[in-house]
Amino acid sequence: TQLLEQSPQFLSIQEGENLTVYCNSSSVFSSLQWYRQEPGEGPVLLVTVVTGGEVKKLKRLTFQFGDARKDSSLHITAAQPGDTGLYLCAGARVRGKLIFGQGTELSVKP
Amino acid sequence: KAGVTQTPRYLIKTRGQQVTLSCSPISGHRSVSWYQQTPGQGLQFLFEYFSETQRNKGNFPGRFSGRQFSNSRSEMNVSTLELGDSALYLCASSLGQGREEKLFFGSGTQLSVL
Repeated sequence: TQLLEQSPQFLSIQEGENLTVYCNSSSVFSSLQWYRQEPGEGPVLLVTVVTGGEVKKLKRLTFQFGDARKDSSLHITAAQPGDTGLYLCAGARVRGKLIFGQGTELSVKP
Repeated sequence: KAGVTQTPRYLIKTRGQQVTLSCSPISGHRSVSWYQQTPGQGLQFLFEYFSETQRNKGNFPGRFSGRQFSNSRSEMNVSTLELGDSALYLCASSLGQGREEKLFFGSGTQLSVL
């Protein structure tokens, strides 16, 4: 049973389009993180959200934590080829132990 | 500041053998976590060490073990390798404190079991 469900699993879009990735769970998390992973590398932390309803922006990326701290979304505006990669959400219920979603494979074509 | 270093980068073993993977965390980081990444299961938590003590453990069999040294470097060992152990093994380091803990991952060790 996957505690964190990400959707969609795969996304192929054209440069300039907008997209949203969802991360859902039936469990409450004390914090939720988003990572991006490129082939042959480890995941790189993009953002951490800790408060229900919190919204954080990182240039063209907008992250939101659900009010009940069970879900999160990542919205990318005007996607660019450099945004291509595997996006992972990860929730913390116990400090030091992250539960990862399956990931969303994003491909942005020029 | 040097990042998290994992060695070796690639490893090929046969069933039944054992393997040891190494992880050097960022200087000053006291927590080291290990994750297994496979296409089917995604990233799965193995265990976390903080100041030489195992603080958290995932749902993996006893064949998977680890340890942390006084300089925070960590090793992970897998005994009696099975084909299903083929995966990318990732190590992450952090300060190990606080609610907004930031994990820094290494590039991983790609293990292939034949």
